[in-house]
Amino acid sequence: QQQVKQSPQSLIVQKGGISIINCAYENTAFDYFPWYQQFPGKGPALLIAIRPDVSEKKEGRFTISFNKSAKQFSLHIMDSQPGDSATYFCAARGDFGNEKLTFGTGTRLTIIP
Amino acid sequence: EAQVTQNPRYLITVTGKKLTVTCSQNMNHEYMSWYRQDPGLGLRQIYYSMNVEVTDKGDVPEGYKVSRKEKRNFPLILESPSPNQTSLYFCASSLVSGARETQYFGPGTRLLVL
Repeated sequence: QQQVKQSPQSLIVQKGGISIINCAYENTAFDYFPWYQQFPGKGPALLIAIRPDVSEKKEGRFTISFNKSAKQFSLHIMDSQPGDSATYFCAARGDFGNEKLTFGTGTRLTIIP
Repeated sequence: EAQVTQNPRYLITVTGKKLTVTCSQNMNHEYMSWYRQDPGLGLRQIYYSMNVEVTDKGDVPEGYKVSRKEKRNFPLILESPSPNQTSLYFCASSLVSGARETQYFGPGTRLLVL
């Protein structure tokens, strides 16, 4: 049973456009929602994370939008650049102290000139 | 430089031959974890550790063992590897400071079990 569903599987966006990746979760006990960026041949890197007490978090060109009632959260990449081309994973976890981290299946993002 | 190191980076072995993948972090993080990454399945957590001598199962612990005798090290042990454990493995460590969490992943270990 997949507890975190991620879509789309792959995404092509023109340079300068907005990339949007969506995730939905089932477990209402999840309390921490990170996004990871992974380049080919590298380990994942924590990109940005949100807790459900806020509906949005922004760091530079990256924004997480969180909808607690719908049990959905999404990553928005503004002004997408070719260097953003990577695989992105969403994840969810209980509060720190409950460390079981569940990942989505990933989105391969390609930014074209 | 803050880092998580894994060894070996690549390993080919045969079914049933015990192996250990080492993981070490130099950031004094309390929390460490192991993941495997498979095409189409994303990352799945194998085991995690909240501190020395404290470990717990993730989503896919079968066939794996871990130990946390020191804060910096968190080895992954495959007592009797099988072909379905062929995968890319990542170790990670984390620190929570106030509301901010910092997490670092190692470079990965690619394992092939014949």
